[in-house]
Amino acid sequence: GAVVSQHPSRVICKSGTSVKIECRSLDFQATTMFWYRQFPKQSLMLMATSNEGSKATYEQGVEKDKFLINHASLTLSTLTVTSAHPEDSSFYICSAPSRGDWGGYTFGSGTRLTVV
Amino acid sequence: DAKTTQPNSMESNEEEPVHLPCNHSTISGTDYIHWYRQLPSQGPEYVIHGLTSNVNNRMASLAIAEDRKSSTLILHRATLRDAAVYYCILSPRGDYKLSFGAGTTVTVRA
Repeated sequence: GAVVSQHPSRVICKSGTSVKIECRSLDFQATTMFWYRQFPKQSLMLMATSNEGSKATYEQGVEKDKFLINHASLTLSTLTVTSAHPEDSSFYICSAPSRGDWGGYTFGSGTRLTVV
Repeated sequence: DAKTTQPNSMESNEEEPVHLPCNHSTISGTDYIHWYRQLPSQGPEYVIHGLTSNVNNRMASLAIAEDRKSSTLILHRATLRDAAVYYCILSPRGDYKLSFGAGTTVTVRA
């Protein structure tokens, strides 16, 4: 089946540094990928939609200069958290449509970011 | 986005069926009903989806009411590995955004 590989699974970084998270579709092409954030005991919140070859679309309230998204190829999307702060500590998850045009999705395994 | 309403939690015994209800009274004709589940510290996993007819796959069954205003996910024989948060989500055809609600936390007792 369709697989989305997300790396790293865990990362700890110092406050003020940047962290890059990669999301790869392994056996299918993804012109669109989605990035979610999930705080403890909460549901997933959509952050942005990543589009291959064009600018990402951010949800209301998400700072595009802080969460840089690049979708340089049909199989890779990256999320860079710039100048990370402790409040950015969260579980970040990517996903991609994988089952044709009726909206089924495959999710990555998530990245646990801890900013100290 | 059309909203869904699910119970916060449900408990089940191992080997017994689990029926997870979802209300979606504002569903539109083009909305597909999706179910995903999330195990602790993992990304969500696709379970099943449907439009109007009941659906079965190796993981579960989806029973959709005739008026489509509600649906039920059925896990036929719960195992400990089915303990997860189950999300019922409406997704219009062509709209690839998935909006997650709080979901139902399923606990399975051995």
